[in-house]
Amino acid sequence: GQQLNQSPQSMFIQEGEDVSMNCTSSSIFNTWLWYKQDPGEGPVLLIALYKAGELTSNGRLTAQFGITRKDSFLNISASIPSDVGIYFCAGQDLRGDMRFGAGTRLTVKP
Amino acid sequence: ETGVTQTPRHLVMGMTNKKSLKCEQHLGHNAMYWYKQSAKKPLELMFVYNFKEQTENNSVPSRFSPECPNSSHLFLHLHTLQPEDSALYLCASSPEARGTEAFFGQGTRLTVV
Repeated sequence: GQQLNQSPQSMFIQEGEDVSMNCTSSSIFNTWLWYKQDPGEGPVLLIALYKAGELTSNGRLTAQFGITRKDSFLNISASIPSDVGIYFCAGQDLRGDMRFGAGTRLTVKP
Repeated sequence: ETGVTQTPRHLVMGMTNKKSLKCEQHLGHNAMYWYKQSAKKPLELMFVYNFKEQTENNSVPSRFSPECPNSSHLFLHLHTLQPEDSALYLCASSPEARGTEAFFGQGTRLTVV
């Protein structure tokens, strides 16, 4: 099956720092999605991207759909303690099947 | 609150027990999913239902048995599970089965002892 590689696996940052994470795929995707999962909860959709090159913001979060349609990144600016959690990328292929990355675990130190 | 509700939130069961997980969505979606989430692994899609019909079964062992009586409700019946089946089981729904983003429930944390 198609591989979705998400990096980094984990990040430890200071409050106020910016964060960047990305996902790459061996195949083309039609849609890229970014989810956040808090401990003991299900993933919550943060940003959805539908077109190559698209750059979308949601508050302090910005995500981009790569031009090659094989990658996406998520940036968080001026991190705060409540940004702690696991961030997942997901891509929908040409059939509409959704694949998930293994997640980036973010820890924010006050 | 995503509009997808799962019960119970936590479940501990023995290997000889039979239990069921329940999922309900209030979003008017036509597709519902079961995912398994194990530590440090990507979400694993188990089953897909579209308009109450099962459209995908990703080689899931028969000890997991899904049921979808209508587009708003999804069950996962469990019997004779193994300790390695312990995981977070997530239900999700989406407007259509393909090409639309999924909304997740809070999950059921299952421990098999």
